[in-house]
Amino acid sequence: DTAVSQTPKYLVTQMGNDKSIKCEQNLGHDTMYWYKQDSKKFLKIMFSYNNKELIINETVPNRFSPKSPDKAHLNLHINSLELGDSAVYFCASSLGQGYYEQYFGPGTRLTVT
Amino acid sequence: AQTVTQSQPEMSVQEAETVTLSCTYDTSESDYYLFWYKQPPSRQMILVIRQEAYKQQNATENRFSVNFQKAAKSFSLKISDSQLGDAAMYFCAYNTDKLIFGTGTRLQVFP
Repeated sequence: DTAVSQTPKYLVTQMGNDKSIKCEQNLGHDTMYWYKQDSKKFLKIMFSYNNKELIINETVPNRFSPKSPDKAHLNLHINSLELGDSAVYFCASSLGQGYYEQYFGPGTRLTVT
Repeated sequence: AQTVTQSQPEMSVQEAETVTLSCTYDTSESDYYLFWYKQPPSRQMILVIRQEAYKQQNATENRFSVNFQKAAKSFSLKISDSQLGDAAMYFCAYNTDKLIFGTGTRLQVFP
């Protein structure tokens, strides 16, 4: 019954490694997002996809690459991890932009050592 | 660029009392949407209430209501009859094509 799911929930890895976070939504939404929440709880959008097409790409390092194989999935791949990438990453989805409520996944806590 | 400011990093309230969380924003747009999200210790983000900028009437959801002042660009959240389960981080957010969040207010509820 989970609306927006993310795997894994926790990820501990070393600097320089490459890792992926997967997101799936079963709500039939067209729009999906990735957010980063830093250690001070500040939430900032990274990417947004609408019907598998990238529509928002904030100033995020090229080491971060989102991929949407279909409307229900949006994955985030991170290359050459750095200490500063440690954060909680949230996936979200919505029916559309603007008015629509965004449904958030449980978050993935990434720790880079 | 749009910005959202929450000037109260922490607030506290006694159970059953009322508390108001402040939020101001800056935008040159006339059509936009405002939200309050709650993040309890479980870290799940939960929508509390939303407001369309073109509506003058303040939104209400049970014990939660907003005071939306468009000219002043202010969007405060009032929680009535506070409950222990209301303890959480509260984020104000502005949306046209993307959600822009404030820095959050941590609300503590004391029995």
